[in-house]
Amino acid sequence: SAVISQKPSRDICQRGTSLTIQCQVDSQVTMMFWYRQQPGQSLTLIATANQGSEATYESGFVIDKFPISRPNLTFSTLTVSNMSPEDSSIYLCSVPLTNTEAFFGQGTRLTVV
Amino acid sequence: GDSVTQMEGPVTLSEEAFLTINCTYTATGYPSLFWYVQYPGEGLQLLLKATKADDKGSNKGFEATYRKETTSFHLEKGSVQVSDSAVYFCALAGLHAGAQKLVFGQGTRLTINP
Repeated sequence: SAVISQKPSRDICQRGTSLTIQCQVDSQVTMMFWYRQQPGQSLTLIATANQGSEATYESGFVIDKFPISRPNLTFSTLTVSNMSPEDSSIYLCSVPLTNTEAFFGQGTRLTVV
Repeated sequence: GDSVTQMEGPVTLSEEAFLTINCTYTATGYPSLFWYVQYPGEGLQLLLKATKADDKGSNKGFEATYRKETTSFHLEKGSVQVSDSAVYFCALAGLHAGAQKLVFGQGTRLTINP
């Protein structure tokens, strides 16, 4: 298993501002994933963050809105930029345990007002 | 594309009741199937998994059987406890995408009353 620390655990932000979410893993991992869970919806993959290269974004997500940093093998950040109420969600980072399983952080609950 | 459909919640049961949370999937080939659980204030935890048809995953009294013929992976527990109150997610890992592209159902909130 892995210990994933995600910060902040929750925040309430004004529309038009940006929030950076941090994800720290207790071991070195090649890939880190960022998911979004909108209210009443399932988890949706935003992007895959690889150390030393640009993140790979899924359809419907763009770097300008969700810039990601991956400065080393244990850390990543996701920024939610120019926020609107529609960005209110739980954001989760995860790392793979095996080639089919993933391990998740506790999530960041974001409310945009 | 791949998708997972879960029984809508919320589900409220009394302690010691029998639990079933239905999950069906659509996928190319034979994906791996998972149940994740999210306890209040915590991250998602893998509850159980099955990687091929007819496999049964089990953990903490929960069971789910990979049914290829019905494309289902229903979660069951014979006698639930208050501590089982959580949100449960059914998920699949596609044959070629693996852990990178887990596809989740919408989650089912389970509340167990004493």
